[in-house]
This record gives sequence, C-alpha cells and structure tokens, in this order.
Amino acid sequence: GAVVSQHPSWVICKSGTSVKIECRSLDFQATTMFWYRQFPKQSLMLMATSNEGSKATYEQGVEKDKFLINHASLTLSTLTVTSAHPEDSSFYICSAIGDRGRQETQYFGPGTRLLVL
Amino acid sequence: GESVGLHLPTLSVQEGDNSIINCAYSNSASDYFIWYKQESGKGPQFIIDIRSNMDKRQGQRVTVLLNKTVKHLSLQIAATQPGDSAVYFCAEMGVGTGFQKLVFGTGTRLLVSP
Repeated sequence: GAVVSQHPSWVICKSGTSVKIECRSLDFQATTMFWYRQFPKQSLMLMATSNEGSKATYEQGVEKDKFLINHASLTLSTLTVTSAHPEDSSFYICSAIGDRGRQETQYFGPGTRLLVL
Repeated sequence: GESVGLHLPTLSVQEGDNSIINCAYSNSASDYFIWYKQESGKGPQFIIDIRSNMDKRQGQRVTVLLNKTVKHLSLQIAATQPGDSAVYFCAEMGVGTGFQKLVFGTGTRLLVSP
C-alpha cells in the first residue's frame, strides 16, 4: 500500500523554541495532506488541510500563526510549531491522499511525539 | 467541538472470542465510514470501510455493520487474537470547504487476554 513517513518520530524541545515536523508520501503524489493532533487517551483532531502549492485551511480554534503548514511539493508537507509551549506537547499525525487508491482514502503516517519542556 | 475524554471505553475479551465495537456517528449527511486500529505510539491503520449505500461489509475476520436510521456503526472481529489489542476508532467522512475531511469518534480500547 501507499506509504507515508514522518520525521522526526519524536522530539523534545525547550519552551519558546520552534519545531518542524515533516510528512512525506514515499511512493505516490499527495495532492492533499492533513495534519492531526492527538492528546493522550483522546481521538485524532484535524488541525488543517493543505493542498500542494496553496495555503492551508485551518480548523476552527487552530492558530494558523502558531502552526505553520507548508505543502511545497507533491510529496512533502511540513508543520512548524512556533514558540512551542508545554501545552503543545502531543502526538502529531499526518495523512495524505493523492494518485494512489481511491480519492477518499487517506494514508496515515506513523506520527511524531512532541514533548515541550 | 469534540468532547474531551480522559478515559477510553474499554472492551476486554478472551482470545478466541468474537468482539463487537460500537460507534455512534454524528452527521446524517456522511456517506463514507472507516474503522481504524491504532496501536500505542503509532498512526492509525485502515481496517475496513463502508459506504452509506451498504449496510454490511466483510473483510478478513472483520465485519462492519452500518445502521443509518440510528446513525450507528459497529465493527465485529471474529476469533479475536492478542494482536488485535489496540484502540479502535470509527471515522466518518464529511465534505467541507471542498475537501473530504475525516471526523474521528472517541475510540474504544480492545484488550485481548490469552
């Protein structure tokens, strides 16, 4: 099946620093990528949707200036958590749809664990 | 917004039993539903899906049932194995701003004892 990778798999940073998370589609072109956040023992919450070459669409309550999303190519989207604080500690998961499988099928990455000290 | 839950519902079964995990979805306009399995520290893994024009779909050891009248979805796992232990999420697809967005349910933890 289609493969989506994320890097890094986990990151620890100090409060106030910025962290970049990469999401790559390895064997297909991803026209749309989604970013989710998951707190412990909770469900996945969609943060934003991005199309290659255009601005991301953020869900209500998600600060676009804090969570910068760049979908610069058909195989790469990045999420930058700016001025991270302990409350941003979470599991961040991306997914992608594209030219593999059905249009509605989202392929999920393995997630990135962020811990802000 | 989504309700905040500190405790996932848990279903405990013995190895070899059949498991049934239930889900109530929210949007009567949703027409595509998916079950995902999520192991600790990993991303969701696709299990099975169903469209709203069907009420039952079978896969290998899994069956999904859809009752649109009461907006209910269930996942049946036959002959449950310890490797099935994970958190299971249902997800519904709604259309918004031109993109297909997935809305996830709260999840159920399945614990399989050998």
